[in-house]
Amino acid sequence: AQSVAQPEDQVNVAEGNPLTVKCTYSVSGNPYLFWYVQYPNRGLQFLLKYITGDNLVKGSYGFEAEFNKSQTSFHLKKPSALVSDSALYFCAVPVGGFKTIFGAGTRLFVKA
Amino acid sequence: NAGVTQTPKFQVLKTGQSMTLQCAQDMNHNSMYWYRQDPGMGLRLIYYSASEGTTDKGEVPNGYNVSRLNKREFSLRLESAAPSQTSVYFCASSEVLESTDTQYFGPGTRLTVL
Repeated sequence: AQSVAQPEDQVNVAEGNPLTVKCTYSVSGNPYLFWYVQYPNRGLQFLLKYITGDNLVKGSYGFEAEFNKSQTSFHLKKPSALVSDSALYFCAVPVGGFKTIFGAGTRLFVKA
Repeated sequence: NAGVTQTPKFQVLKTGQSMTLQCAQDMNHNSMYWYRQDPGMGLRLIYYSASEGTTDKGEVPNGYNVSRLNKREFSLRLESAAPSQTSVYFCASSEVLESTDTQYFGPGTRLTVL
């Protein structure tokens, strides 16, 4: 079955430290992969996506993600976390046409 | 350019009541979607509309109906609300119905069914 897993419900990091939010996937073929962010009381906002090509994808707000085909992972990273990065992060994998599988979400908490 | 807007932001219903959630987008997108978000479950697709005049069921359509009123507007109706429909509802749109296309989300409607 096709699936997306975000193994951590919450990630805690100190401001200024690097952060990683993990995502692994199980889909057939060559996947497209997305990261979305949800701030409190807001809808999801697009951060970045991997379609093809360079395995390191750069996105909004200084975030980047690395596609690793052998490990079926697409971890979200940022070199230096900000308190304003605190939010709920979703990994998503389109699986054809209208259907996108969203991970359960990882809450990032950045402490000042 | 407001993007995707939804009304209302909050709603409390009693079991058996009906209501319609409204969604509009001003990005001239062809495709629109309704999702529900429940804790620990990510987003699940209720219905989608590939283009004006078409609607199709998603993963969890039972208890819901939709109308694509025109290219801009896509409404979701609960005919007889049940406590299991307590959730946060998001409308989204994309330029076309393609896997690579980014979806743009509204701010959500928080619905409680008592």
